[in-house]
Amino acid sequence: DAKTTQPTSMDCAEGRAANLPCNHSTISGNEYVYWYRQIHSQGPQYIIHGLKNNETNEMASLIITEDRKSSTLILPHATLRDTAVYYCIVRGNSGNTPLVFGKGTRLSVIA
Amino acid sequence: DVKVTQSSRYLVKRTGEKVFLECVQDMDHENMFWYRQDPGLGLRLIYFSYDVKMKEKGDIPEGYSVSREKKERFSLILESASTNQTSMYLCASSPNTRGNQPQHFGDGTRLSIL
Repeated sequence: DAKTTQPTSMDCAEGRAANLPCNHSTISGNEYVYWYRQIHSQGPQYIIHGLKNNETNEMASLIITEDRKSSTLILPHATLRDTAVYYCIVRGNSGNTPLVFGKGTRLSVIA
Repeated sequence: DVKVTQSSRYLVKRTGEKVFLECVQDMDHENMFWYRQDPGLGLRLIYFSYDVKMKEKGDIPEGYSVSREKKERFSLILESASTNQTSMYLCASSPNTRGNQPQHFGDGTRLSIL
C-alpha cells in the first residue's frame, strides 16, 4: 500500500504557483520522498526527490517539513501543460526498490 | 537524458496468444521494472530485475514471465493472453546506487486482448 496521502484533485490558475501537498506520517529515517507526474497517455515523468532538505530543480521545488511527515511540491508558474496527475511516493534508499504509487492528485491548470 | 523505449505504443492480440512486450534502456541501468496501470487501481508491479538473468516477482506476477538476457533489455511475456490482461504496461529502469537515483519510465504499451 502507498504510504502517502494526497488530495484527489486541485485547480490552479495559469501563471500562478501550484502547491501540491502530501502527507507521509509513517516515513522512516532512510526513506526518500519522490514526486512524479503523469500526463494523459504517457508514462510517469520524474520531477524531483529529497530526503530532508528542501530541493529545487528546473521543474519544481520540494519543501519537506522538519519532522518529515509532510511535503509540498511547488510548480512556480503553472502552465496548461502542467495539467497531469501528480504522485507523491515514499521510497527506501536501495536502488532496486520498486515504486508504490497511490492515486495521486489530479492538477488542472486553468487559463 | 535517460531513454527507456518500449517497442509498441499500441498492440492488439487475441486470447490465448503468447505476447512479448519489449523494453530497452540506454543508460546502463542495473534495475528494470514492469508495471501495469488500470483505471482505479493505479500502477502495480508485475516483475523486476536487478541484474542480467535475475528476476523478482512483484505484486501481480500471475500469468506473466520475464526475460533479461542483456543488461539493456527487459522483456515481459504473457504466456497465454487473456482479456483481463488488457491494460497499459509501463517499463522503468534505475541505476543500482543507494537512495538518490529515480526510476525513469517509458511511454507505455497499451495492450488490448480480444
